[in-house]
Order: sequence, then C-alpha cells, then structure tokens
Amino acid sequence: AQKITQTQPGMFVQEKEAVTLDCTYDTSDPSYGLFWYKQPSSGEMIFLIYQGSYDQQNATEGRYSLNFQKARKSANLVISASQLGDSAMYFCAMKGLDSNYQLIWGAGTKLIIKP
Amino acid sequence: GAVVSQHPSWVICKSGTSVKIECRSLDFQATTMFWYRQFPKQSLMLMATSNEGSKATYEQGVEKDKFLINHASLTLSTLTVTSAHPEDSSFYICSAPSTSDYTDTQYFGPGTRLTVL
Repeated sequence: AQKITQTQPGMFVQEKEAVTLDCTYDTSDPSYGLFWYKQPSSGEMIFLIYQGSYDQQNATEGRYSLNFQKARKSANLVISASQLGDSAMYFCAMKGLDSNYQLIWGAGTKLIIKP
Repeated sequence: GAVVSQHPSWVICKSGTSVKIECRSLDFQATTMFWYRQFPKQSLMLMATSNEGSKATYEQGVEKDKFLINHASLTLSTLTVTSAHPEDSSFYICSAPSTSDYTDTQYFGPGTRLTVL
C-alpha cells in the first residue's frame, strides 16, 4: 500500500535559517510523483514543488528544493533563508502510476519561524 | 500555475438546511476534480472524485446522499451538503489536476469553512 510519513508534527526555526522538513514514502509503483504543499492559516493549499521518480536531478523552485533520495524513499523539503511568511503547515503528497490523479497525503508538519 | 476558485469562502447555516459550494477552474479545463474535508490540525481527507459528465466516485464512509456532487461542465463542480448538521461543520476544499504538463499537479481552491448551528 502507498503511504506518506511526515515524522515532525511541529518545528520552530529562527528566521533566516534553513529548514528541512522530512518526508518518507512507501510505494511499489515504478513511476510516481512527489509533491509539497504549503497551507497557511488562511487554509489555502499552495503548490510548492514537484519531483518525479525518474528525475535525475533534485527539483528546485526559488528558495525551495527537494532532497530526493530514491533508495531511502525520502523526499525532504528544504527551505533556504526562512522568512516569517514561511510559517504554515506543510504537506508531502504522492501520486502513483494509475492513481487517476489521486494523491496520498502525509499528516503534515507545522513550521513556525521565530523572529 | 493554474487557478481554482471556490465559493463561498465561509458559510454559517442552521441545522437542517442545505449548502452548495462551487469549485471552478478558471484558466483550464478539468474533467476531474476532487473534494476534500479537513478537520482542525489534520491532513486532507478525500471525500469524492468528481467526474465531468458522469457520477462522482465517493470514498468509503462518505454518504453520497448527504454530499451531492455535480460536475456540470469542464470548469465547474459543486458540492451540496444536504440537511446539514453540526457534525458537518468543517473546512471543505476542492482541487483540480492541471493537464498542461506531465506532472498532473493538483491546484486547490481557497476552501470553504462551513459552520452549522
């Protein structure tokens, strides 16, 4: 069965520091996609970054990068130079080969950036 | 990225009334949309998959007569909570996969906060 595990319920990080949010996954599909979303207190889900299972390089989007370690089945999100506006819930999700677009979601990590 | 709107943003209603929530893809067509429910401090829970031109597919445990879904066009899906009760109070959020690239990234509406008195 497919599963996403986020082991950090919450994190406090000092402003301007880098932060790594952990995500491990379990799937038997040879092809899959991994996503990270940000959910601020307003509730909207904001797409941050995508990593395909066959992508050779780690995905990057501005201050966001994905540390993809396929053998370890991990897809950690790295936020560089954190800002107060980064305070939010962060969810890791996975799409399988024949999932009809459905996503499997992690429990989320609440990130709080301290000034 | 693709834009999905959702209306209303929040609604307060009396017990026993029905509430309709709209989800629109603004700049792309969506043959499939998803409806989620989210309780405080929890992850998203998929309620149903909305399919344009056909019946929705409901997840196990979701009452299809309670949560009516209509995917009337390629840009609009609606969720109607019928005879709402306080236990239906929650945050409801929809999403649609953008088919403009190979990633099938889902884009979300801003969500609807429902409070049933």
